[in-house]
Amino acid sequence: DVKVTQSSRYLVKRTGEKVFLECVQDMDHENMFWYRQDPGLGLRLIYFSYDVKMKEKGDIPEGYSVSREKKERFSLILESASTNQTSMYLCASSLSGLGYEQYFGPGTRLTVT
Amino acid sequence: QKEVEQNSGPLSVPEGAIASLNCTYSDRGSQSFFWYRQYSGKSPELIMFIYSNGDKEDGRFTAQLNKASQYVSLLIRDSQPSDSATYLCAVINGNQFYFGTGTSLTVIP
Repeated sequence: DVKVTQSSRYLVKRTGEKVFLECVQDMDHENMFWYRQDPGLGLRLIYFSYDVKMKEKGDIPEGYSVSREKKERFSLILESASTNQTSMYLCASSLSGLGYEQYFGPGTRLTVT
Repeated sequence: QKEVEQNSGPLSVPEGAIASLNCTYSDRGSQSFFWYRQYSGKSPELIMFIYSNGDKEDGRFTAQLNKASQYVSLLIRDSQPSDSATYLCAVINGNQFYFGTGTSLTVIP
């Protein structure tokens, strides 16, 4: 059974704070993804990674950075949190190659005040 | 044009009825198709995938793919109140994974 875990279910931060969201998967998946999900906008890809130390920008990378130092761990960093980054953040992982489904973590609901 | 389009709903069906959810995609080169279910406040969970034209059945769920018309659908037979959720269609094209915005389904007891 694939398991993707995220460090926090709920997080409240202040504007300007640096925020770290951690994601760990235990199935040796090569690919890892960070999304945010907002009502009416669906899932939007922030960053993804196909391998350790590799990262690719998704559709909305502005204001975010990522780190992948180990295969099982993919971190999302909000350099200076802003209120418009209040959202549900979802991490996912998948095997490499074509056609493989993504498995999601439980999500982190981040509120920036 | 969005890669994946879904009617946002809400779609309401009575308990025991068939719920039909539809999804269209823009790129004919898309190779793999997925349906995820997402309960309110929870993360998406995979319920079906389909790669070839035709139907694929898994319990009460049937996924249908028509590549010529570029649509994929999900049928839920004998709908239950526990099926009330948002259903996300997802498509792989190349190495890109595209999600629709989801269709909200309510099954009325």
